[in-house]
Formats: sequence, structure tokens, C-alpha cells
Amino acid sequence: AQKITQTQPGMFVQEKEAVTLDCTYDTSDQSYGLFWYKQPSSGEMIFLIYQGSYDEQNATEGRYSLNFQKARKSANLVISASQLGDSAMYFCAMTDSGYSTLTFGKGTMLLVSP
Amino acid sequence: ETGVTQTPRHLVMGMTNKKSLKCEQHLGHNAMYWYKQSAKKPLELMFVYNFKEQTENNSVPSRFSPECPNSSHLFLHLHTLQPEDSALYLCASSQEGGVYNSPLHFGNGTRLTVT
Repeated sequence: AQKITQTQPGMFVQEKEAVTLDCTYDTSDQSYGLFWYKQPSSGEMIFLIYQGSYDEQNATEGRYSLNFQKARKSANLVISASQLGDSAMYFCAMTDSGYSTLTFGKGTMLLVSP
Repeated sequence: ETGVTQTPRHLVMGMTNKKSLKCEQHLGHNAMYWYKQSAKKPLELMFVYNFKEQTENNSVPSRFSPECPNSSHLFLHLHTLQPEDSALYLCASSQEGGVYNSPLHFGNGTRLTVT
């Protein structure tokens, strides 16, 4: 069984600063995928970034980067130059061995202040 | 049209009612999913459909009944629900039935309240 742990229920950051959202995972699979999703107050889950377990380089998408440390089983999300619109819930997730479904963490609420 | 559309956005129903949630995807995907999001709990996968065939039922009570008439539409039929079923129900779709190949695209969800 796979498990995702997000230990930060809430995070505060000032606009234009960088912030790191923590995610650790547990799996016995050798091949897996890690994802981050953003959920604004509107409810929609928005895909941000993906990291494959065999990818040697950390994934980056614009202001988002994934700090992947395989030995430590961590997949932290780094948001550079935070913006007010980044205020939302952020979920870390991973695929199962069949790559057919996602297991989600409990999420971290990020609040960006002016 | 947005990628994944869910209706209604909000639903209040009594425990003896029967209602249905609707999901439609305009992305050409061939896999669709129902997730349940309760307060302070991780998203829980309920059902998966690949090419209209149900491939996963994650121990969901029979008072939730999914229907997938084609690869673009997904329904969740609800009957005799309990107050603890109140939650945000999210529909999602992906290509080739594998999140490894493409990320899930979610709808805005239906906020369900059971009274």
C-alpha cells in the first residue's frame, strides 16, 4: 500500500518569497510517479507538476519545482516568488503500481500575504 | 467549455432522496474517476472507469452507484445516503487510463450535504 504524508497543515509566506511544501511517501514499488495538485477555494484540483521515480533531474514547471530525494522518499514542492493567487490547498499524490490511480496526502493550506 | 464539467455545483438532499451527480469531460480522455473529499481527510478514490468499463470499486457502499454510458460522461447515482456522506465529490479524467501517461484533470466538484 502506498502512503503520502504532508506534515504541514498550514503555511504562511509573504508575496515574492519562496516557500517549500513538504511531502514524504512510502511505497514498496520501484516504479512510481509523484504529483502535486493545487486546489483553490473554487474546488477544482489543478495539476502542477510531475516527477517519475526514474527521472534523474528534478522536475520544474515555471515557478514550481519538485525537490525529489529518492533515498529519503521525499518530494517537496518549491514555489518561487509567491503570488497572492498561490493561496490554496496543495496536495501531494503518487501513483500506484499499475499507474492507474492516485493516492493523495491530506494537503497543506498555503496563505500568501501582501 | 472547460475540460471537466460537474453538475450540480451544490446539492442538499435528505436521507431518503435519490439524486445523481453528473460529470462530462471534453478532453478526449478514456478514463474517468470519482473521488470523495471529506474535511480533514485525504481524497478517497471511489470508482475508476477505463473505456467505459469499471476497473475499480474502492469498497464503496452500495448507496453510491456509478454509471459510465460513454467515455465522456460519468454519473454517480445516490440513494438513502447518510449524513457522513456529506463531502465534495470530484470527478476526474485521464488519457489511456494511466496517470503515469497523463495527469488527472479534475472538475470543480459537487458539494453534497445530506440532511
